[in-house]
Amino acid sequence: AQRVTQPEKLLSVFKGAPVELKCNYSYSGSPELFWYVQYSRQRLQLLLRHISRESIKGFTADLNKGETSFHLKKPFAQEEDSAMYYCAPVTIKAAGNKLTFGGGTRVLVKP
Amino acid sequence: DTAVSQTPKYLVTQMGNDKSIKCEQNLGHDTMYWYKQDSKKFLKIMFSYNNKELIINETVPNRFSPKSPDKAHLNLHINSLELGDSAVYFCASSLNRAGNTIYFGEGSWLTVV
Repeated sequence: AQRVTQPEKLLSVFKGAPVELKCNYSYSGSPELFWYVQYSRQRLQLLLRHISRESIKGFTADLNKGETSFHLKKPFAQEEDSAMYYCAPVTIKAAGNKLTFGGGTRVLVKP
Repeated sequence: DTAVSQTPKYLVTQMGNDKSIKCEQNLGHDTMYWYKQDSKKFLKIMFSYNNKELIINETVPNRFSPKSPDKAHLNLHINSLELGDSAVYFCASSLNRAGNTIYFGEGSWLTVV
């Protein structure tokens, strides 16, 4: 079964400091992974996906198949980055693909 | 121009009651979902429908019954509510069952007292 682990429940950093959110997955096959973000009182929304290899709001994430990780990084955190972040690999099924969310990491960026 | 909208946003009800949460998407997507987020912020899929057909049904008590009258709507009906049903329920949709980019509603906060 597909499993995804976000070991840190809370990350507290100061503004301007680097932040890294860890995500490890277990998957047999070629995984497709996403990071979703939920700002306070807002809906969950897609932040980035590994296949696009893009940087969104200064965040990047590299898929490391050897370590089965998809850590999210930002070199200089901003206060507006405070939110819940969910790592989400896709489970490929014949009936329909399914996103499996990790437990989430709350990021708090202090001024 | 809300893409995925769900009502009500807040619902407080007593144990044993039956309640429904409605969801509509105006994105023209084929696939819709219900997710549950518990008090510890764990987010788990409950159901998925594709063109009104149930395609994913996780281990959910049969007190929960989704209904999709058309592909733009997916409602969630809950019978005999229990304290443990208190959670935030998110409706979502994706273009198709490949479901790689999912668009979420704002959530419905259900509190059972």
